[in-house]
Amino acid sequence: ELKVEQNPLFLSMQEGKNYTIYCNYSTTSDRLYWYRQDPGKSLESLFVLLSNGAVKQEGRLMASLDTKARLSTLHITAAVHDLSATYFCAGTNNNDMRFGAGTRLTVKP
Amino acid sequence: DTAVSQTPKYLVTQMGNDKSIKCEQNLGHDTMYWYKQDSKKFLKIMFSYNNKELIINETVPNRFSPKSPDKAHLNLHINSLELGDSAVYFCASSQNDYGYTFGSGTRLTVV
Repeated sequence: ELKVEQNPLFLSMQEGKNYTIYCNYSTTSDRLYWYRQDPGKSLESLFVLLSNGAVKQEGRLMASLDTKARLSTLHITAAVHDLSATYFCAGTNNNDMRFGAGTRLTVKP
Repeated sequence: DTAVSQTPKYLVTQMGNDKSIKCEQNLGHDTMYWYKQDSKKFLKIMFSYNNKELIINETVPNRFSPKSPDKAHLNLHINSLELGDSAVYFCASSQNDYGYTFGSGTRLTVV
C-alpha cells in the first residue's frame, strides 16, 4: 500500500517569503498530485506530475518530482495572503489514490 | 454543469439512524471513489468502484455499504450511525488513474 508523508503539517509564513513543502512516498507511484483545499471547500487540483524530473509552475507555486528519491516538492515564491489554504499531495497506484496529511499554510501580512 | 455532484451537502442526524449519500459524475469516468475527511483534515479512501465493480474496500465498519447502479453513480449507505462517523465525505472519479475530480463534499454530523 502506498504511504504518503508530508511536511511540515503547519506552516506560518510572512508575505513575500519563500518556502517549500515536502512530500515523500513509500512505493512506486504512477503519478503525483498536488491539491489545494480552502476551509469548507472541496479539493482543487493544482498539479499532476507524471515522470521523473517533471516540473510544473503556476503563478507563485512550482511543483517538482524526483521518482528516484520518491520525493515531490511544492515551492512557494513570494507568498501572498491568498495562498493561505491546506495543501495536499497524493500518489496513485492502479486507481488507488492516497493522500498525505496536508500542510496547513497561513500567510501573514 | 457540475462534473461530480453529491447530495446532500449537509446532513445532521441522530445516532442509530440510517442515511445515504448520493454521488453522480458526468465526466464519463470509469472509476469512482468515496473518501472520508476527518476533523484533522486527514483524507482516507474508503471504497473504489471501476465500472460498477468494487476494487478497493478499505477497513471500514460494515455499517458502510457502497452501491454503484451504473458507472456514473456511486452511493454510500450508512447504517446505525455513530458519533465517530461525523466527517466530510467526498466522492471522486477518475479515468485510467488520471483526472481525479472531487465532489463538493457532504458534511455529516451525528448528534
